Amino acid sequence: QSALTQPPSASGSPGQSVTISCTGTSSDIGRYNYVSWYQHLPGKAPKLLIYDVTKRPSGVPDRFSGSKSGNTASLTVSGLQAEDESNYYCSSYGGNDIFVFGTGTEVTVL
Amino acid sequence: EVQLVESGGGLVQPGGSLRLSCAASGFTFSNYGMHWVRQAPGKGLVWVSRINSGGGGRGHADSVKGRFIISRDDAKSTLYLQMNSLTAGDTALYYCGREGVAGGLDVWGQGIAVTVSS
Repeated sequence: QSALTQPPSASGSPGQSVTISCTGTSSDIGRYNYVSWYQHLPGKAPKLLIYDVTKRPSGVPDRFSGSKSGNTASLTVSGLQAEDESNYYCSSYGGNDIFVFGTGTEVTVL
Repeated sequence: EVQLVESGGGLVQPGGSLRLSCAASGFTFSNYGMHWVRQAPGKGLVWVSRINSGGGGRGHADSVKGRFIISRDDAKSTLYLQMNSLTAGDTALYYCGREGVAGGLDVWGQGIAVTVSS
């Protein structure tokens, strides 16, 4: 059960796009489409942005999009806004009622 | 209003035990899988445990396996986490979360702090 690997940080100017990668293995991301992405500020409740690799819950702007290829999932934030400055985590099902989170990426809006 | 409220946290000595509770309201608790996720000070989110709807399937992270037990009482709409043999490494803010479609945690509590220290 190793954590999924994310870059520690990412940044972009307002209006630009930023893409965050999330690398797992053939036992988690590579095997299941149960990939989710969360936005989180420390001490606050995390917010679900993406589930089932590409789907957005109601209320999440379509600036947020997800994808997957092989053992790597990605989150793209288009049209960056100041309010997007936060920590982002991926998550995947790993079989046998086990889940795993990513190491987290801090996004800075320049 | 759909809501999850954690309780039961606090300060405990190394080797001690604590039971966290997560009270659910605003939805049919028995229909949903539930999770515990924690965040140690200055660290990222880490998945801890999951129990499916009905309680027949449970999973725990390797770091807590054999020490933590997740359970649920559907009659009380409450999720539990029994934590035994606690160490300083278990010090964290613990969140409960509702599992929606395809494993996404769509409802979260505000978190409860657990501090393991002598």
